[in-house]
Amino acid sequence: KAGVTQTPRYLIKTRGQQVTLSCSPISGHRSVSWYQQTPGQGLQFLFEYFSETQRNKGNFPGRFSGRQFSNSRSEMNVSTLELGDSALYLCASSLFLAGVTGELFFGEGSRLTVL
Amino acid sequence: QKEVEQNSGPLSVPEGAIASLNCTYSDRVSQSFFWYRQYSGKSPELIMSIYSNGDKEDGRFTAQLNKASQYVSLLIRDSQPSDSATYLCAVKGSNYKLTFGKGTLLTVNP
Repeated sequence: KAGVTQTPRYLIKTRGQQVTLSCSPISGHRSVSWYQQTPGQGLQFLFEYFSETQRNKGNFPGRFSGRQFSNSRSEMNVSTLELGDSALYLCASSLFLAGVTGELFFGEGSRLTVL
Repeated sequence: QKEVEQNSGPLSVPEGAIASLNCTYSDRVSQSFFWYRQYSGKSPELIMSIYSNGDKEDGRFTAQLNKASQYVSLLIRDSQPSDSATYLCAVKGSNYKLTFGKGTLLTVNP
C-alpha cells in the first residue's frame, strides 16, 4: 500500500514568489492535514481538508491556502513568500477527520527555503 | 499558555535505562492522546495512543494518562540506541483539532 506522497521534496524560492505543494494521501483516506514544522515552533497545524471541504484551520495568515480534489489529493499554496516561511511542510492523511481518529500518516515533507 | 507542552530536553539516557517523556495539556475536555516518534530527517509516525486514565503498555513502551492532572507520559523501558528520536505528544481537543507539542529529543547512549 503506497504511503503519503508529497511533491516536490525540496524547493528554493525568493521572497515575494508563490509556491504550490502537492500531497497524495494513502488510498482510501479522505482527510488531508497540512503542518508546518520549524526548529523553533515545532509542528504547527495549517489546515485540514475532508471530502473537499476545509474542516479546520490553524492560526496562519491568509497567504496560506489549500484545497482538496475529488480524489482526495490536496494542494497548499503560499503566496507572497517571506523568509519566515522557510520550513518543512508536512502533509498527513487519515481515514476520517484527524480529530476523530488521531492517527495520522505523514508524508516525507516538502522542504521550502525562501531566500 | 501553550496548549500542549513537553519537557524541552534534550533527554539523554544510557542504553538499558528507562526514558521518561512528559506532556501536559490545557484543554480539560481532551479525550484522546497520542505519542508520535520522529527520527532525524524523517516524518512523524504514531507509536502509542491512550484514551483512559491509567497505563497502557505496548512492548517496551508504556503510556500513562492522568486527566485530573492533565498529564500524559511515555515510558520507554530498556532504552536502545534505535529509540533515539524526537517524541511528539499530540492531544485531540474539544474542537476536534489535533495539537502537537514541540517534542522532546531523546538520545540513548550505547
